[in-house]
Amino acid sequence: QQPVQSPQAVILREGEDAVINCSSSKALYSVHWYRQKHGEAPVFLMILLKGGEQKGHEKISASFNEKKQQSSLYLTASQLSYSGTYFCGTANTDKLIFGTGTRLQVFP
Amino acid sequence: GAVVSQHPSRVICKSGTSVKIECRSLDFQATTMFWYRQFPKKSLMLMATSNEGSKATYEQGVEKDKFLINHASLTLSTLTVTSAHPEDSSFYICSAPSNRGGVTDTQYFGPGTRLTVL
Repeated sequence: QQPVQSPQAVILREGEDAVINCSSSKALYSVHWYRQKHGEAPVFLMILLKGGEQKGHEKISASFNEKKQQSSLYLTASQLSYSGTYFCGTANTDKLIFGTGTRLQVFP
Repeated sequence: GAVVSQHPSRVICKSGTSVKIECRSLDFQATTMFWYRQFPKKSLMLMATSNEGSKATYEQGVEKDKFLINHASLTLSTLTVTSAHPEDSSFYICSAPSNRGGVTDTQYFGPGTRLTVL
């Protein structure tokens, strides 16, 4: 089952914040976050391996709620370079299954 | 960071022909590689797991006789789309986990191959 992301799309002005959610119907062992620019391969952002874990990467951070089978990606003070489609990926045993995706557009 | 290459980056072929796509890990070894397909404005859908020295594992609904996968060495996996048809047109992307790792390790993606079947 593919994880469901919300919202499907976000439009921001530079400097605004956004939250992207990822929900799975199955138990999560780890959560990956990637950003993909149009026509390019996904670029790794971070992995969360444990329930309750939070990680930060510049102004992008994420949390992992294992009990709720959810993860959230937080983008603060967004920059133009943050535009792209964000995917969560859930790893169960031997597969990495990508979420439905969230398209983020940041305007000046 | 680790680098994964794909070749070709773009291919246009006639219906009925076969197309081979190569995925190479340039500076690390990968016992496992993953092949994804992505349609426009859609998510990446896992097609199969390529295993060095053994048969690939295909996802439900993916025809193994149509999408032939060969993991010839610890740095090379190939995907051959046999008798391609227009509905096979898509963006094909491979990934490899770092340091002979598994699915919970960082995945490094190739730049993708855009296949167009006329």
